[in-house]
Amino acid sequence: AQTVTQSQPEMSVQEAETVTLSCTYDTSENNYYLFWYKQPPSRQMILVIRQEAYKQQNATENRFSVNFQKAAKSFSLKISDSQLGDTAMYFCAFKPPGGSQGNLIFGKGTKLSVKP
Amino acid sequence: ETGVTQTPRHLVMGMTNKKSLKCEQHLGHNAMYWYKQSAKKPLELMFVYNFKEQTENNSVPSRFSPECPNSSHLFLHLHTLQPEDSALYLCASSQGTSGSTDTQYFGPGTRLTVL
Repeated sequence: AQTVTQSQPEMSVQEAETVTLSCTYDTSENNYYLFWYKQPPSRQMILVIRQEAYKQQNATENRFSVNFQKAAKSFSLKISDSQLGDTAMYFCAFKPPGGSQGNLIFGKGTKLSVKP
Repeated sequence: ETGVTQTPRHLVMGMTNKKSLKCEQHLGHNAMYWYKQSAKKPLELMFVYNFKEQTENNSVPSRFSPECPNSSHLFLHLHTLQPEDSALYLCASSQGTSGSTDTQYFGPGTRLTVL
């Protein structure tokens, strides 16, 4: 069975600094999708970044980038120039390849606090 | 705003009540999902609908009954719930359920408290 592990329940970072959130997963599949979602306090969960496993290039979205290590089954999220608005729960998620019924498998999340 | 709305945002109900949660997506998607989010646990997928057909029931107790009248609307009917059912219930939608169309967009959730 596929599993997703986020080993850091809580993290904090100073405003304008860089922080990396870790995520590892377990699967026997070769093609799959990985996601980072952000859930601010009392607000909607939104997609931060997405990576297709067949792409070697790491995905980037503005200040957010990933370090995708397929062999190590690692998918960390780097947030550069942290802002107060980045304070949120961050969830790593894995999705099996096409043909499955859209089952996202989530980690337990990392609570990130950005301090002024 | 992600284009997925949920009502009500908060709900308090007794164990003998019957209530319904509503989800609506304005994205033209074909797939919709119900998740349960409890403290300190990963999101749990409950149900998946694709083109109005239920394609996944993740061993959810029968006191939760989903309904998908069309691709834009999804309901979760609740009856005789237990206190341990208190949680944040999230709805999501996606264009499809496989390949590049599978990115899910979430609603704000309904915070349910069962007394």
